[in-house]
Parts: sequence; C-alpha cells; structure tokens
Amino acid sequence: EAGVTQFPSHSVIEKGQTVTLRCDPISGHDNLYWYRRVMGKEIKFLLHFVKESKQDESGMPNNRFLAERTGGTYSTLKVQPAELEDSGVYFCASSHGSFPYEQYFGPGTRLTVT
Amino acid sequence: LAKTTQPISMDSYEGQEVNITCSHNNIATNDYITWYQQFPSQGPRFIIQGYKTKVTNEVASLFIPADRKSSTLSLPRVSLSDTAVYYCLVALMFSGGYNKLIFGAGTRLAVHP
Repeated sequence: EAGVTQFPSHSVIEKGQTVTLRCDPISGHDNLYWYRRVMGKEIKFLLHFVKESKQDESGMPNNRFLAERTGGTYSTLKVQPAELEDSGVYFCASSHGSFPYEQYFGPGTRLTVT
Repeated sequence: LAKTTQPISMDSYEGQEVNITCSHNNIATNDYITWYQQFPSQGPRFIIQGYKTKVTNEVASLFIPADRKSSTLSLPRVSLSDTAVYYCLVALMFSGGYNKLIFGAGTRLAVHP
C-alpha cells in the first residue's frame, strides 16, 4: 500500500511569489490533515478535510493560505503571496474512519521563502 | 485543548528499557493519549494510543494512571534505530471518526552503542 506522498519535497521561492503544495493521501482515506512546523517551533495543525469538505480550518494562519481538496482525493495548499515567516516544513496526513484514527504522515515539503 | 510536557532529551544504550514520562494536567474526558515517533526528514509515525490503564502493542507499552494526568511510554530493549523524537500528544476524539492532534516539543531520544 502506498503511503502519503507530498510534492515537491523542497521548494525555494522569493517573497511575494506563489507556491502550491500537493498531498496525495492513502487511497480510501476520507480524512486529510495539513500541519506545518516553522523554524524552531512545534508542529502546528492547519486544517482538516473530510472528503472534499473543510471540517476544521482553525489553524490556518491567514487568508494568504488556501487549501482545496477537489473530489475528495488529493489536496493542495497554496500560499499567495508568500512571506518570509511562511518558511518551514509542511506535513500532510491522512486517516480512515476506524478507531484509533491513526494519522499517516507524509514526508513533508520543506518551503524556503527568501 | 490540553498541552503536554515531556523531557526535552534522553540518552540510553542499546538493549536497555526506556521510559518517557509525559504530563497532561488539563486532559479532558474525550481526550486520548497518543504517542508518535519521528525520524529526521520524515513525518511523524503513530506508535501507540490509550485512554487509561495499560496498552501494549508489538513495539511499546503505554501506562496511564487512574487520574490520567500523566502517562509513560515504555520502549523495551531499544536499539540504535530507535533514535528519534518521540511526541506525547493529546488527541481530541470526534464521533465522526477522526481526531485532532496537539503536538508539543517532543523528547529527543539518543540510543548509544
């Protein structure tokens, strides 16, 4: 079974540019989560999809971040325009609906904004 | 949402048992205690989860006292490959079949030969 995949693995962009991160969850997992860790800080929850619907987006930092999950499959996280403080590692995770609701994490995308 | 407190780092040697204790004083009734492991350049990986008393699986045991204000992850006979960051998390469980994880700083475990 393929795990959660994320693309790209690393992205370097200039301040003010746009970047789109992609996450492909494990097939059949309705729940998809986005997290990020900025330099020196803890991993923080961003948002959670159930299929194509946003269940909880309380962790999204501001309106420069837009997440979508078209058709309930893969998800994208767009940052527009990127700021220096957006640099960090963005993780995606997915889970099925069976207890203990274990979340399977992808390897992350390292975003560097210069 | 409950936060957790755990040691920043620990050292051990191959073959020893490692116990990592975590405090979660503000844990709520619907919260579960969950532990994840993370290697460099990888995402966190689920280890074990429990609500109370003791839970054991093929890689670890989790001990939770009756008041649930703390928990202890026990790794039997660690090897060099167990060197990683271990996160103690409070997982808020929802009836819809999902949870919300609150990450702390984690414990960096170093296993020495």
